[in-house]
Amino acid sequence: DSGVTQTPKHLITATGQRVTLRCSPRSGDLSVYWYQQSLDQGLQFLIQYYNGEERAKGNILERFSAQQFPDLHSELNLSSLELGDSALYFCASSVTTGFSEAFFGQGTRLTVV
Amino acid sequence: QKEVEQDPGPLSVPEGAIVSLNCTYSNSAFQYFMWYRQYSRKGPELLMYTYSSGNKEDGRFTAQVDKSSKYISLFIRDSQPSDSATYLCAIQGAQKLVFGQGTRLTINP
Repeated sequence: DSGVTQTPKHLITATGQRVTLRCSPRSGDLSVYWYQQSLDQGLQFLIQYYNGEERAKGNILERFSAQQFPDLHSELNLSSLELGDSALYFCASSVTTGFSEAFFGQGTRLTVV
Repeated sequence: QKEVEQDPGPLSVPEGAIVSLNCTYSNSAFQYFMWYRQYSRKGPELLMYTYSSGNKEDGRFTAQVDKSSKYISLFIRDSQPSDSATYLCAIQGAQKLVFGQGTRLTINP
């Protein structure tokens, strides 16, 4: 168990809908990263937050947004869902923004039908 | 051009074989290099990391970095069926980890 908790584990929703994925980082970790993993694209970095502030942005679509709350948990919001958004979404956390071991959660498997 | 390139495999070898997994990268500013292992339906877990060029050994695993050729490798000695997983190289860039595609490895008993 990495100590990073993601909910829900599975989510099935229809195209056009909006969903929220939740991540609780390991105790003491201030950085949260979101990644999308699909079969053809591998693990793609979406966005990073550090202590409530956005620190880095990757290939995140405008339909997607995220935030980190004062208690350090983070939410990833996906809206106007398309079939191509079906993927595994991972959250990872680490102590700092620089190099440190990033611990990954078990992921949320999103299926858009 | 992708920042990190990794042959997705799949790679299938007999138990006890030496396995070599490789990645190339494009940004010479990268300094931290990692290997993650991901079992089916699980999140990636860190196996090893190295800083700059050189080798690092941990049991049956050896990570190697050659910054001059922008090439990183993971060697697994005496491979076991429990090593069957997807192995992802990852490189620490500015504020993010950039991952390779992952190589699916199967060790056959």
